[in-house]
Amino acid sequence: DQQVKQNSPSLSVQEGRISILNCDYTNSMFDYFLWYKKYPAEGPTFLISISSIKDKNEDGRFTVFLNKSAKHLSLHIVPSQPGDSAVYFCAASNRGGSEKLVFGKGTKLTVNP
Amino acid sequence: DAGVIQSPRHEVTEMGQEVTLRCKPISGHDYLFWYRQTMMRGLELLIYFNNNVPIDDSGMPEDRFSAKMPNASFSTLKIQPSEPRDSAVYFCASSLTGTPFSGANVLTFGAGSRLTVL
Repeated sequence: DQQVKQNSPSLSVQEGRISILNCDYTNSMFDYFLWYKKYPAEGPTFLISISSIKDKNEDGRFTVFLNKSAKHLSLHIVPSQPGDSAVYFCAASNRGGSEKLVFGKGTKLTVNP
Repeated sequence: DAGVIQSPRHEVTEMGQEVTLRCKPISGHDYLFWYRQTMMRGLELLIYFNNNVPIDDSGMPEDRFSAKMPNASFSTLKIQPSEPRDSAVYFCASSLTGTPFSGANVLTFGAGSRLTVL
């Protein structure tokens, strides 16, 4: 049973536009959510996180929104750049830390010049 | 710091052979994790260690898989005997014990070991 779901395997956007990546979760005990970015032949790298006491966290061009009632989070990238082309993983845990992170299957973002 | 170092980067072996994957975590990190990535199941946690002690191995698929961490700077994941369904990318990651909900405890991943079992 997938506890973290990324229902869109891929997303394509134009450079300069907004990219919105979505993630749904089923476990109401999750209290910490993270996004990782992965380039080919590399390991995932941490991008941004949010705790369940917040509904928004911003870091430069990246903003994560959390809707606890809907068990949904999203990552917004504005403006999108070709270098943002990568696979984005949503992850969640229930201890405020990175132990036993549960990952989604990822969404491949392509930003076209 | 050189980051998390994994070897080999690629391994091709035949069914029934023993496979050993190696990991050197970031110096000073007290947590070490082994993940497996497949198309079907995505990124799955296999096992993790804290201060060289295995804490949770509930993700290890079966007895053919074993992991050790003899010291703070080295860990191995062994598959014996290997099977074609073990073909995947295996990632090692490390982290620090940090304040909950802070960025101090996020995982740093290695580049992965791509395993192909024929």
